[in-house]
Amino acid sequence: GDSVTQMEGPVTLSEEAFLTINCTYTATGYPSLFWYVQYPGEGLQLLLKATKADDKGSNKGFEATYRKETTSFHLEKGSVQVSDSAVYFCALIRAGNMLTFGGGTRLMVKP
Amino acid sequence: KAGVTQTPRYLIKTRGQQVTLSCSPISGHRSVSWYQQTPGQGLQFLFEYFSETQRNKGNFPGRFSGRQFSNSRSEMNVSTLELGDSALYLCASSLARTSESSYNEQFFGPGTRLTVL
Repeated sequence: GDSVTQMEGPVTLSEEAFLTINCTYTATGYPSLFWYVQYPGEGLQLLLKATKADDKGSNKGFEATYRKETTSFHLEKGSVQVSDSAVYFCALIRAGNMLTFGGGTRLMVKP
Repeated sequence: KAGVTQTPRYLIKTRGQQVTLSCSPISGHRSVSWYQQTPGQGLQFLFEYFSETQRNKGNFPGRFSGRQFSNSRSEMNVSTLELGDSALYLCASSLARTSESSYNEQFFGPGTRLTVL
């Protein structure tokens, strides 16, 4: 079945540091890929998406590129802020509305 | 436009009881999906309803059930609660179902935190 693997956290960075959170997937066909973010006490918010190979999703300074050859969708941000502290989930979807999530990576940004 | 709402936000039950959680999707959305989030298992898909029909079901025991009403509101029910059912239950709604050629974004509610004592 489909699966998503992402690096375990927590990831602790200083403000303005570069962020990478690795994500790889296993799925048949051509899934769409997502990064969701969850702030404390809240539900999930879609951060960015890519629906086909080589697409780059971007939002709020975050970027991720759909790499079919390496089955990866790594999340990057050039300069993190304290307000980026949250849990980040990589996910995929094929047909239907069943999202398959990675285990989540907690990011802590210190001033 | 109002987002996805879930009620109640917090719930405390004891083992053996049953519980019903409610989800109101964004107006016009016809698909509602439910997810369970726990520290140990992460986010797991429970089931999806579209136009009052269950379209997809995750790997959960029959104690977990749901339904969708004609106004697209959805409820999920857990009977004979166990300690392991303690979790954040998230509901997501979307306009339609994603296909191989068409993606429909899912919008999540804030969740219902269920504690089983």
